[in-house]
Amino acid sequence: AQSVTQPDIHITVSEGASLELRCNYSYGATPYLFWYVQSPGQGLQLLLKYFSGDTLVQGIKGFEAEFKRSQSSFNLRKPSVHWSDAAEYFCAVGARAGGTSYGKLTFGQGTILTVHP
Amino acid sequence: DAGVTQSPTHLIKTRGQHVTLRCSPISGHKSVSWYQQVLGQGPQFIFQYYEKEERGRGNFPDRFSARQFPNYSSELNVNALLLGDSALYLCASSLGQGGFYEQYFGPGTRLTVT
Repeated sequence: AQSVTQPDIHITVSEGASLELRCNYSYGATPYLFWYVQSPGQGLQLLLKYFSGDTLVQGIKGFEAEFKRSQSSFNLRKPSVHWSDAAEYFCAVGARAGGTSYGKLTFGQGTILTVHP
Repeated sequence: DAGVTQSPTHLIKTRGQHVTLRCSPISGHKSVSWYQQVLGQGPQFIFQYYEKEERGRGNFPDRFSARQFPNYSSELNVNALLLGDSALYLCASSLGQGGFYEQYFGPGTRLTVT
């Protein structure tokens, strides 16, 4: 069964500082990997995705993530955080194989990001 | 283009009642998935429908059911509501079935069961 762990429930950074949000996954093969952001009371917006190829992927809003197979990780990074980045961030894994899990996204518990001015 | 729309936005129901939530996918998308997000947790997969057929089901009781219509819109039904069903219900649409296709999420329906 696929699973996702986001070890940090809450992270606080100062505006302009760099950011790294951690994500570890469990899956039998190379999964599809995603990062979503959710603002309070809103749905989820896709930041970036990894399917195959280059392990460093670029997303929207200046975010990037690196897939490390050896560590089963897909950490999200941003070099300089803006106050508008304050939100909750979810890492998700999608199944490649068929069956009833095909198309299912499994999410981590989320990391709440607070940005101090 | 319009994104995924869901109705209603908020809903308050009493234990034991039934509820129907509605979702309209992005135009051209043929797959709809439903997720439940309890406060403080990540979304949990409930169902995926593609071309009007159920293609995936999460670990939810039979009180939860769904269907997809010929125009690809979808309904999620929950019977015999429990307090624990209080959550944000998210609908996502995608072009096709399978993890390769990006899922675009709607704003959700906030269900409160009292």
